[in-house]
Amino acid sequence: QSALTQPASVSGSPGQSITISCTGTSSDVGGYNYVSWYQQHPGKAPKLMIDEVTNRPSGVPDRFSGSKSGNTASLTISGLQAEDEADYYCSSYTSSSTDVIFGGGTKLTVL
Amino acid sequence: EVQVLESGGGLVQPGGSLRLSCAASGFTFNTYAMSWVRQAPGKGLEWVSAISGTGRSTYYADSVRGRFTISRDNSKDTLYLQMNSLRADDTAVYYCAKGGAVAARPTFDYWGQGTLVTVSS
Repeated sequence: QSALTQPASVSGSPGQSITISCTGTSSDVGGYNYVSWYQQHPGKAPKLMIDEVTNRPSGVPDRFSGSKSGNTASLTISGLQAEDEADYYCSSYTSSSTDVIFGGGTKLTVL
Repeated sequence: EVQVLESGGGLVQPGGSLRLSCAASGFTFNTYAMSWVRQAPGKGLEWVSAISGTGRSTYYADSVRGRFTISRDNSKDTLYLQMNSLRADDTAVYYCAKGGAVAARPTFDYWGQGTLVTVSS
């Protein structure tokens, strides 16, 4: 089972909006509403930012939002802040023999 | 406050075995699925295994199936990962993560700080 496809890097200036894509197949992203997004700062554990495509857990700023169209899920961060600079990973349930897969990760740089 | 704390990592030779533990607190352990997720040095996240709240259902990534065994002791609020036939590509930080009510779903809302497993001769 191949990993979900994410861009290696994205960047934006403070206050701007960016979108990170996560492309899979009809066996994972496109077939189920079980897509999550994680933020990971260097040397730290990942933090859940979005689950079930659009749900934002308590404590996550509303600047973070998730969506899905076909086989591609997206994470949008509006009003970029310096502390948003981190690696971001998408994850999905999959009907393959490996039940959960991650994307390769996207490094967000706040210019 | 929800906490999960991994232990048991270390250096092991190829072909060897290691058992990781994860002590949980701050939530009703037996009502939540738990997972192990690993991250090789400088690489991305890889889901390894999950177990239901009762422990009756287990799930594995293809890369570890037949070599790793996940289990839990709900009387001790502790999760385990028995790793056998270890290979160099198993070298990674292993994270314990709290799941939701259903195992094998990609929602992990609390993570430990990880324990490093190094497989090398």
